[in-house]
Amino acid sequence: NAGVTQTPKFQVLKTGQSMTLQCAQDMNHNSMYWYRQDPGMGLRLIYYSASEGTTDKGEVPNGYNVSRLNKREFSLRLESAAPSQTSVYFCASSPDQTSGIKETQYFGPGTRLLVL
Amino acid sequence: KQEVTQIPAALSVPEGENLVLNCSFTDSAIYNLQWFRQDPGKGLTSLLLIQSSQREQTSGRLNASLDKSSGRSTLYIAASQPGDSATYLCAVKPLDYKLSFGAGTTVTVRA
Repeated sequence: NAGVTQTPKFQVLKTGQSMTLQCAQDMNHNSMYWYRQDPGMGLRLIYYSASEGTTDKGEVPNGYNVSRLNKREFSLRLESAAPSQTSVYFCASSPDQTSGIKETQYFGPGTRLLVL
Repeated sequence: KQEVTQIPAALSVPEGENLVLNCSFTDSAIYNLQWFRQDPGKGLTSLLLIQSSQREQTSGRLNASLDKSSGRSTLYIAASQPGDSATYLCAVKPLDYKLSFGAGTTVTVRA
């Protein structure tokens, strides 16, 4: 049982390049999330998918797109990378976003992205 | 908009001392509050989850309290060990279900 996996672990891009961050979970969770973590700031939600076939914007969606490929996989795409997108990106999953008061999220190990 | 603040940003203590980490939030309309641990270069691991109707939650040496009306939570770690060195983040789950995180407190326990 691997939990939440993310690829790649590290990536260096030049401004304007594109890339896709991959995330997969094997816990049969309905909901998946993408966050970014910057120094001195809390994790900020980029996009989330409450269930297979749905995606919604979070707090900081500009410059990103997502695809919920199936129940297991949720990818994050940077179409034209900018230095401001240098960050650590975390994927997370949970049984059901709205299932209520006891639910926690399970996090992947993160992808460290540097945009030059 | 929910704002979550953690003070101090960093803390260094000798081994054996008790740790007290603080978290405050601006909107008391929440489902729960969680404390997470993050090791360098790793993802987040949930430590304790306190439901909005609860006052505290305990797991081993960890105890977390919640005062929803004043918008505060405290994480206590008894008899700290070098292995407790990590960043601790708190997060609240507001009524729109989207977690709001604090920036974290980085703890160093000196042997």
